[in-house]
Amino acid sequence: GQSLEQPSEVTAVEGAIVQINCTYQTSGFYGLSWYQQHDGGAPTFLSYNGLDGLEETGRFSSFLSRSDSYGYLLLQELQMKDSASYFCAVYSYNQGGKLIFGQGTELSVKP
Amino acid sequence: KAGVTQTPRYLIKTRGQQVTLSCSPISGHRSVSWYQQTPGQGLQFLFEYFSETQRNKGNFPGRFSGRQFSNSRSEMNVSTLELGDSALYLCASSLESGTGSLEQYFGPGTRLTVT
Repeated sequence: GQSLEQPSEVTAVEGAIVQINCTYQTSGFYGLSWYQQHDGGAPTFLSYNGLDGLEETGRFSSFLSRSDSYGYLLLQELQMKDSASYFCAVYSYNQGGKLIFGQGTELSVKP
Repeated sequence: KAGVTQTPRYLIKTRGQQVTLSCSPISGHRSVSWYQQTPGQGLQFLFEYFSETQRNKGNFPGRFSGRQFSNSRSEMNVSTLELGDSALYLCASSLESGTGSLEQYFGPGTRLTVT
């Protein structure tokens, strides 16, 4: 089968750094994406990793290790507005190809 | 560029009724995917359409169906509504199908409540 595991909740303080991990189990893996969703809002695309290594976009970075079936999203200089749910998603060629989302990690940023 | 739009934003229906939801993708995007989001199940893939063809389907009963028009706009239909169909239905568009769907842009969703 196919599955993604990510922590359900993470809490951090303003200005800190937080890492949200995602492990996946899927065959036909192509890439890993991250999405942010504020309460009551739509998911928004943050980043995509197709190859091993780190991708940096401003305060956010995403990492992938295909050999470990593992990735993470790193958020630096946390701000209150970063409080949201973060989803990892993998694209699998199996079953015709589709994007499979993790259950999401709820990040709470405290002052 | 205008984002993905979905109509209606909120809907209340009774068990046994049917409902049609609409999605207009970002201009130039040819792939439209639909998801059901509930607190307990997270984001569940319903189906993807590309060039008016269904490319893939998730594990949902046949009561859930969809289509895509030549202008890439898409509709999804749910017949014989059940209480468990209450959810946020999200539409997402991407430039291409397949691996291009790793970068999707979501609409605001339609909040469906079945009573």
